[in-house]
Amino acid sequence: RKEVEQDPGPFNVPEGATVAFNCTYSNSASQSFFWYRQDCRKEPKLLMSVYSSGNEDGRFTAQLNRASQYISLLIRDSKLSDSATYLCVVDPGAGSYQLTFGKGTKLSVIP
Amino acid sequence: EAQVTQNPRYLITVTGKKLTVTCSQNMNHEYMSWYRQDPGLGLRQIYYSMNVEVTDKGDVPEGYKVSRKEKRNFPLILESPSPNQTSLYFCASSFSTGGHDEQFFGPGTRLTVL
Repeated sequence: RKEVEQDPGPFNVPEGATVAFNCTYSNSASQSFFWYRQDCRKEPKLLMSVYSSGNEDGRFTAQLNRASQYISLLIRDSKLSDSATYLCVVDPGAGSYQLTFGKGTKLSVIP
Repeated sequence: EAQVTQNPRYLITVTGKKLTVTCSQNMNHEYMSWYRQDPGLGLRQIYYSMNVEVTDKGDVPEGYKVSRKEKRNFPLILESPSPNQTSLYFCASSFSTGGHDEQFFGPGTRLTVL
């Protein structure tokens, strides 16, 4: 199956810092892209979908680069509560009924 | 409250003793699936179901069975558990038949097989 790759980290950043994660995907036909957040030993939860034009939600910005087959997540003004693992998720689209999950990037925001 | 529930949340069992992990959603979702999560391997899909009575294998189906007799329930069955099935299991559901939208995950079941 087509793969999704993420830098596992951990990324240790001070409060207030800006941090960016990238995720590459191998299936050029992929249709939809998502970022999920997973706190330690908890279930993943949708953080944001990633649209072709890029999208922003407060301190979080997600972008898609189809030509280079990667998506990114930018977190500005990091908070302690942002500490979590961020999962990149790719939907191959029509004809597939399985999402592809990256292994996640761990972020620790330090006081 | 819209949610996915799993039971039990924690289970320690012995090799070969059949067990069932239940999953139920109250959002009238079409698509349901089971994942296992292991350190360094991420989330791997075990089975998924696009609708009642429609199920299919995911990436790691060996040693597992599922059924979808009702829309809301999607139990995971381990007929003869083995230690390599020790893992954190998540059930998930989504609105669309193909699972192409937001996945809602249950709280997880931590299984230990001795």
